[in-house]
Amino acid sequence: GENVEQHPSTLSVQEGDSAVIKCTYSDSASNYFPWYKQELGKRPQLIIDIRSNVGEKKDQRIAVTLNKTAKHFSLHITETQPEDSAVYFCAVSGGSYIPTFGRGTSLIVHP
Amino acid sequence: GAGVSQSPSNKVTEKGKDVELRCDPISGHTALYWYRQSLGQGLEFLIYFQGNSAPDKSGLPSDRFSAERTGGSVSTLTIQRTQQEDSAVYLCASSGGGDEQFFGPGTRLTVL
Repeated sequence: GENVEQHPSTLSVQEGDSAVIKCTYSDSASNYFPWYKQELGKRPQLIIDIRSNVGEKKDQRIAVTLNKTAKHFSLHITETQPEDSAVYFCAVSGGSYIPTFGRGTSLIVHP
Repeated sequence: GAGVSQSPSNKVTEKGKDVELRCDPISGHTALYWYRQSLGQGLEFLIYFQGNSAPDKSGLPSDRFSAERTGGSVSTLTIQRTQQEDSAVYLCASSGGGDEQFFGPGTRLTVL
């Protein structure tokens, strides 16, 4: 089955800095790569996603890049703000209808 | 419109008791997933329902776990003879034909 590795597990940055979280996957048939944000005590919510026919996608301060050859994709957050503090999960699907999630990255943005 | 809802929000039970967790997906969503999230961990897939097809139960950790989805809508996850290691947040998600999953608020289960 699919194997998803997510790094780092914890990321601490100063407000205004950039943050990058990376995920690697194993199934070359995977074609959908979403990122979910989970604030403390809240439900996970989709913040951005990318499909295998696209290399990069941006939405304001967040972007996702995909390298299909190397089987990795990354979440980029620029000009971080305290409200960006949360746990971020990557996920991979396409080879199966069942997504495989990374173990999560706890992002802490210090004011 | 209404999102995915789950009940109860919190459940405390004694070891050995049975529990039922409920999920109301977004109306019209044909796909429904159950996940388990232990403290500081990722989302562990449990079971997947798609329309009237047989569910994919490949993630259920033991035969103490079962789930039903009646009428293609509401789903119930049942854990029999609960153990302390079953303590976790149980999340339900639904999907309406696209790939995005819409999550419920979860049920926090504590087994004493």
